[in-house]
Amino acid sequence: KAGVTQTPRYLIKTRGQQVTLSCSPISGHRSVSWYQQTPGQGLQFLFEYFSETQRNKGNFPGRFSGRQFSNSRSEMNVSTLELGDSALYLCASSGSDVREQFFGPGTRLTVL
Amino acid sequence: KQEVTQIPAALSVPEGENLVLNCSFTDSAIYNLQWFRQDPGKGLTSLLLIQSSQREQTSGRLNASLDKSSGRSTLYIAASQPGDSATYLCAVIPGGTSYGKLTFGQGTILTVHP
Repeated sequence: KAGVTQTPRYLIKTRGQQVTLSCSPISGHRSVSWYQQTPGQGLQFLFEYFSETQRNKGNFPGRFSGRQFSNSRSEMNVSTLELGDSALYLCASSGSDVREQFFGPGTRLTVL
Repeated sequence: KQEVTQIPAALSVPEGENLVLNCSFTDSAIYNLQWFRQDPGKGLTSLLLIQSSQREQTSGRLNASLDKSSGRSTLYIAASQPGDSATYLCAVIPGGTSYGKLTFGQGTILTVHP
């Protein structure tokens, strides 16, 4: 079974631009979560989607948004990029009652 | 609010040693707990998941234990190898409607030297 995939793997943007990241979960998994990882803050939860509905949201500004499609693929969007948005963005999928999370390789976003 | 602490923050050992990584959490009302490994610049690899009803879980040279009432979990690595060098993260999986909302520790950076 293929693992979680994320595209693109690397992105360089400038302040004020917007960016869209994509995540394809493990086949059959309907829950997709997004995390931001920075050296200072560690891993922080952004949001979680299930069957095209956002079920949970972390403490991030409205510039961070996401969506999920009928095939469970998910995208997250960050508008009006700031320098502090530079981070590794990770998505994870889950498909069982034990809520075990499987992570993708991440997208490294650099904001200049 | 759940808080997760990992001790030590960093550990350097010679090859072949057995070692223990510690994880503590403040709210014992967890659903499950998961241990991960992260190599530099990469994603997280799941190592072990312990359900809240379990006391321990084993996979190869890895053994994880869970004491939910005291808010502690340990990851035991037997006969460490240089390839075990990575950051190890524990994450608490909440119950109820908090799907996907894991709380992570800051990690233990492990270096195993030949």
